Amino acid sequence: DIQMTQSPSTLSASVGDRVTISCRASQSIGSYLAWYQQKPGKAPKLLIYKASSLESGVPSRFSGSGSGTEFTLTISSLQPDDFATYYCQEYNNYVPFTFGPGTKVDVK
Amino acid sequence: EVQLVESGGDLVQPGGSLRLSCAASGFTFSSYSMNWVRQTPGKGLEWVANIKHDGSDKYHVDSVKGRFIISRDNAKNSVFLQMKGLRAEDAAVYYCARQRYYAFDLWGQGTMVTVSS
Repeated sequence: DIQMTQSPSTLSASVGDRVTISCRASQSIGSYLAWYQQKPGKAPKLLIYKASSLESGVPSRFSGSGSGTEFTLTISSLQPDDFATYYCQEYNNYVPFTFGPGTKVDVK
Repeated sequence: EVQLVESGGDLVQPGGSLRLSCAASGFTFSSYSMNWVRQTPGKGLEWVANIKHDGSDKYHVDSVKGRFIISRDNAKNSVFLQMKGLRAEDAAVYYCARQRYYAFDLWGQGTMVTVSS
């Protein structure tokens, strides 16, 4: 099975900062990667699919890039509503789907 | 409104059984593959099971094979997870999730399963 890692595990930032989260796959997954945002007590929310496609309704300050084994989620200007935990997820082989361990973005 | 609503979570003893349900509304349920994903503080998000739009194929993570079974009833716009032989490590919040482009674009609010004597 494919293993996913994320870095950093925690990121402290301020409103207005440019934030970058990395996700790495243990083997090439092409562009079969999604990013989710999760707030405490809530379900995850899809932000990005196919590595760089923005889900409908998601603010344009969120962007995704990468292919193969290295991926990045970027928030161009962090907003108060963006403090949350972010997960990557691969879907290269259909199943099993594997999530990364998450990156918590908190207030600096 | 487009939504998924889970139910059925409960406190159950080790070795016990439980059936989770997920009711879909606001979209053409029979057109989508559906999944169960669970979350624990220690293990994060873990995909559990998948069922194709017409129920023709089902997949389960290795750790639940032989104990959990995913099913669906397209006439009732519902997906289910029958769980038996529950273990302490199965305790989690269980989410149902709609699948689109192989990502999960719609999630329910989750239902909590506690396994304890």
